Amino acid sequence: NAGVTQTPKFQVLKTGQSMTLQCAQDMNHNSMYWYRQDPGMGLRLIYYSASEGTTDKGEVPNGYNVSRLNKREFSLRLESAAPSQTSVYFCASIPGSMKETQYFGPGTRLLVL
Amino acid sequence: KQEVTQIPAALSVPEGENLVLNCSFTDSAIYNLQWFRQDPGKGLTSLLLIQSSQREQTSGRLNASLDKSSGRSTLYIAASQPGDSATYLCAVRPFGSGGSYIPTFGRGTSLIVHP
Repeated sequence: NAGVTQTPKFQVLKTGQSMTLQCAQDMNHNSMYWYRQDPGMGLRLIYYSASEGTTDKGEVPNGYNVSRLNKREFSLRLESAAPSQTSVYFCASIPGSMKETQYFGPGTRLLVL
Repeated sequence: KQEVTQIPAALSVPEGENLVLNCSFTDSAIYNLQWFRQDPGKGLTSLLLIQSSQREQTSGRLNASLDKSSGRSTLYIAASQPGDSATYLCAVRPFGSGGSYIPTFGRGTSLIVHP
């Protein structure tokens, strides 16, 4: 049972390049999330998927797109990377109950030059 | 809009001290409050989850309390150890998010316990 996994661990992009961050969970959780964490800003929600087949915007969705490929996988795409998107990105999941805890992946460090 | 504040932002203590970390929130209408630990370069690990109907939760040397009416939670760490050094974050899940779990996070307290 690997929990929540993220790939890649680290990536350097040039401005304007695109990339997809991958996230997968093997806990049969219903809901999945993408956050970014910046110094002094805390964790901010980019997008989330309450269940397979649905996605919704969070606090900072501009410049990102997501796909809930199946129940296990939730990907985050940067179509045209900007330096302001330099951050650490975390994927998380929750079983689906309102009372249960959130599980986080190890993060992807992204540097946009 | 729910706002979550954590005080202090940073704390450095000698080993063995008992610690209190604070988390305050502006809207008392919440489902639950959760405390996380984050080690440098790592993801978040859940420590304690307190439901809105509960007053406290305990796990080992950790005790978290919740006072909804005053919008406060505290994380008490007994007999601190160097291995407790990490950033501690609290997250509040408000009412009104329907069937979705959309927490609001504080910015964390960075704790260093030195030998």
